[in-house]
Parts: sequence; C-alpha cells; structure tokens
Amino acid sequence: DGGITQSPKYLFRKEGQNVTLSCEQNLNHDAMYWYRQDPGQGLRLIYYSQIVNDFQKGDIAEGYSVSREKKESFPLTVTSAQKNPTAFYLCASSSGTSDFSYEQYFGPGTRLTVT
Amino acid sequence: GQNIDQPTEMTATEGAIVQINCTYQTSGFNGLFWYQQHAGEAPTFLSYNVLDGLEEKGRFSSFLSRSKGYSYLLLKELQMKDSASYLCAALDSNYQLIWGAGTKLIIKP
Repeated sequence: DGGITQSPKYLFRKEGQNVTLSCEQNLNHDAMYWYRQDPGQGLRLIYYSQIVNDFQKGDIAEGYSVSREKKESFPLTVTSAQKNPTAFYLCASSSGTSDFSYEQYFGPGTRLTVT
Repeated sequence: GQNIDQPTEMTATEGAIVQINCTYQTSGFNGLFWYQQHAGEAPTFLSYNVLDGLEEKGRFSSFLSRSKGYSYLLLKELQMKDSASYLCAALDSNYQLIWGAGTKLIIKP
C-alpha cells in the first residue's frame, strides 16, 4: 500500500539537542511538505520541496533545516536554535504540477516534546 | 495578506445537520480544500472545490462562491464519529495551501 510514514510517533529530547524527524513516501509524489501544529491551531508551513535537491522556506523556517536527496525522503531537523520546538509535526506530499493534483496526503505525525 | 477565517468551535446534536463556514482572502485562487482531523491524528481529505456550486459526497457536501471568497462544509445525519476538527485551506496563485485554524466540531448525543 502506498503512503507516507513518519517516525517515531513520539519523541522526547532535552533542550539544546538537535533532533531529526523522518518522513518517507512511496506515492511517487514530487512535492513534499513539513508543517507544525500547536494545540488548537492550524497548520503552519515550515519547509517544502517540489523537486529533488531543491527546497524552499515556508512561513516559520527559522530553527529548522531539511534535505531532499531522494524523491522518497524529506527529513526535518529541529535545531537548538528553535525557541519553542515542542509541537506536533506533520509531513505531507502531493503530486503537484505533474498531474495538476494539489491534494496533500499526510503522514501520521510526530509529537516532539523538548524539556 | 493571505487569510482564512473559520469559527473556532461549533456544537451540534447527533442526527442533525451542521454547516461550517470558511471565508478566504488569497493572492490568486486555485481551489478550496476541506480536511477532517481527529484529535492527535493527521488530516484526511474531504473535498476540493474549484468551480462555484455545491459538490455532494454522501453525508458531506461542500459549497464554493469564488466571487464572495466563501465556502461551507455541510454535514448531514451527524454521527458521534464526526467529532473532529475541520480544516479549510485555499490554494493560492503559487499552488501553495493556505490553512485556516480549523473548526472543532463537538457532537452531543
């Protein structure tokens, strides 16, 4: 079955540590996205990538970094520079301009807690 | 700036009908999405409207008026499992989704 996987589901880290969240998709989608969701709020875009080896900053990119070395993978690193990293992180993908379908498919999310 | 407005919370009774409204202001417009999100889970796709009018899909319908920058999601024959947040998102001129904060729908027996 095609889909998006994120691991782990829950992640705990100490303040000052960098942490990398995994996102893998086997939908053959060109575009991938990282969102952050805080309690009672909508989705805020961190980074997105429309093609391998290229990515763009979203609305809240400060303190985060990404890479897109393979079409299937789009890992997100939460660095120690991110002031409030505790949140629910969602990865999504879409086929984008390849077939003019912009519906985004989401992974199950990673809940990161930093203390 | 770009903005999506929808009510924060709504309450409805099992078996009833509820309408969740969404207004949008975006730089360009290429369609309007509705997603459902249960607590602690990922959003799942409900509907996509790009032309004016009503699209019906089972118990759920979605309406769009491009001239008014307005959409609504209509849920009929409400079931307890419909308790969730409903996210409205507009596709802008760069084909990026602009998300609303979501409407938390509480269903009472």
